Parts: sequence; C-alpha cells; structure tokens
Amino acid sequence: SQTIHQWPATLVQPVGSPLSLECTVEGTSNPNLYWYRQAAGRGLQLLFYSVGIGQISSEVPQNLSASRPQDRQFILSSKKLLLSDSGFYLCAWTRDGGMVFLTEAFFGQGTRLTVV
Amino acid sequence: DAKTTQPPSMDCAEGRAANLPCNHSTISGNEYVYWYRQIHSQGPQYIIHGLKNNETNEMASLIITEDRKSSTLILPHATLRDTAVYYCIGGGSNYKLTFGKGTLLTVNP
Repeated sequence: SQTIHQWPATLVQPVGSPLSLECTVEGTSNPNLYWYRQAAGRGLQLLFYSVGIGQISSEVPQNLSASRPQDRQFILSSKKLLLSDSGFYLCAWTRDGGMVFLTEAFFGQGTRLTVV
Repeated sequence: DAKTTQPPSMDCAEGRAANLPCNHSTISGNEYVYWYRQIHSQGPQYIIHGLKNNETNEMASLIITEDRKSSTLILPHATLRDTAVYYCIGGGSNYKLTFGKGTLLTVNP
C-alpha cells in the first residue's frame, strides 16, 4: 500500500532562519507531488507541484522553493523565513493517471510552522 | 481546471442526510469531479469522484447532473464527525490540483 510521510509535525523558527520540510511517498512510482500552505482560518494554497524528478511548477511567487531530488521525495525550502510564512504546510501525491491527468490525492499529516 | 462554486456554509442535523451542492459549469467532457473533506487541523481526505454516472461508496454518494454542470455530495446519515470543510474539484486537464474555499458543513446534535 502507498504511504506518505511528512515531517516534522510542528516547527518553531525565528524570522530570517532557513527552512527545509521533507515529504516522501512509499509504495508507488512516478507520483505527482504537491506542496500546499494553509494560513490560519484560510483555504489551501497550492505552492508547488511536480510531475517528475527535477520538474517543479511554482504557483505563487514568494521566498519559498521546492526541489524533487528523487522520484518519491519532495522538499520545500526557504533561505530566510518571514513572519507571513507561518501556517500549516501539507504535502500530497497523486498517481500518474495517464490520459486522466488528475487522480485522487492523498495528503500527509502536515507541518505546523510558526515563525517568531 | 474547471472553476467550482460552493455555498460557504451549511448546517445539518445529526442522523439526517447532508446534501452538499457544487456548480462546475466550465467542466470539460473528460474532467472528473472530485470531492474531499478537511477536518480541522488535518490534511484533506478524498471522498469520492465521478465522471458522468452517479457514484456511491462507503462514505458518500455523488449525483452528477446529466449536463455535468453541477453535482451533489450526499452523506446519507450525517454524524458529528462529519463536521468539516467539503471541497468540490473539477479537473483533469492538467496536473494542477487546486482547492477552492469549500463548504463548511456543521452537523448539529
């Protein structure tokens, strides 16, 4: 069966510090991978998605970046965190659906980031 | 991706059916309709999806109109644990998975 791991669960970081959140998927190959952010009381904002190794699509210009060094690994990074980066970060994956581009998505447990 | 429109909030009595509507008038012929829900402080959970025919699983039923411009998610016997934000997504023409604001369903005792 497929599983998605996301860590850490909670993180408190000072303004200006770097960030690295990691997400890995097991039990499948060539997944589509996604990073979302949810600010307190707000909706899910798509940050990045990737359809293959080294292929990153950015949805929102900001001080965050994403990388996919391996097929089932997706990393969200920042060189210098801002207060506005606080939120609930979620990783998700969908399987490669062939002609059906979008299939059902499975989410990790999320990382609650507080920038202080 | 097809744009979807959902009411911001709905209430339902415990034990009654909850019917959550979604308009997706711009959906194209090969795009599926997906429903997810997000319970507070958790990641969204897939519920059900469909293309043309009505669908049913252990969680819910999905009714899609013949013109595919709208759909209704039905929770047949809502419980307090069904209180969540429900998202309707119409998509499939690319890999982007975007969520709207969804409907906050509150199940009342």
